[in-house]
Amino acid sequence: KAGVTQTPRYLIKTRGQQVTLSCSPISGHRSVSWYQQTPGQGLQFLFEYFSETQRNKGNFPGRFSGRQFSNSRSEMNVSTLELGDSALYLCASSLLSGTANYGYTFGSGTRLTVV
Amino acid sequence: AQTVTQSQPEMSVQEAETVTLSCTYDTSESDYYLFWYKQPPSRQMILVIRQEAYKQQNATENRFSVNFQKAAKSFSLKISDSQLGDAAMYFCAYRSAGNNDMRFGAGTRLTVKP
Repeated sequence: KAGVTQTPRYLIKTRGQQVTLSCSPISGHRSVSWYQQTPGQGLQFLFEYFSETQRNKGNFPGRFSGRQFSNSRSEMNVSTLELGDSALYLCASSLLSGTANYGYTFGSGTRLTVV
Repeated sequence: AQTVTQSQPEMSVQEAETVTLSCTYDTSESDYYLFWYKQPPSRQMILVIRQEAYKQQNATENRFSVNFQKAAKSFSLKISDSQLGDAAMYFCAYRSAGNNDMRFGAGTRLTVKP
């Protein structure tokens, strides 16, 4: 079966712009989590969506937002981009929220560069 | 808050030999899960092995095994018969039961020498 699909793979944006990243989870998975990965901070949890509702949110400013659609696909949006938002953004899906005891399935990520 | 510490930024191993990657964590919870993920240059995080905290038996997946010491809050990964394809960043991760917020360590870069 198809894995977790993230688009686009690479993105270059200018400071002040906004960006939308997309994630399609594994078929049947209803939970989608987002992580930001940077060399300095490592992997940091952004938020989790389950059945179109945000279940958990990490310690990120309100410029970071997301949503989930009825087909479980998820988007995350970053407004007013800053240079420090340059990172690899990883999406991870699991079958049900709170039962990812088998671990997430990750996508290959979107590499965002802010110039 | 739960924290995960990987004290070895880099490790190297000779092909066919054994290497152990260290991980410690801090938590006051009793029910949780621990994971090791591998991230090769392709960037995709791949689950290597997982361990339920309530299970005393150490998890094993082919050449990968863990040494889980709950009282010491230690969760090390042993890779036996190392292969060139094992070269990657390895992340240790913690997740509370009932919560999808997974905490990751800073990672250990493993190099495998032919």
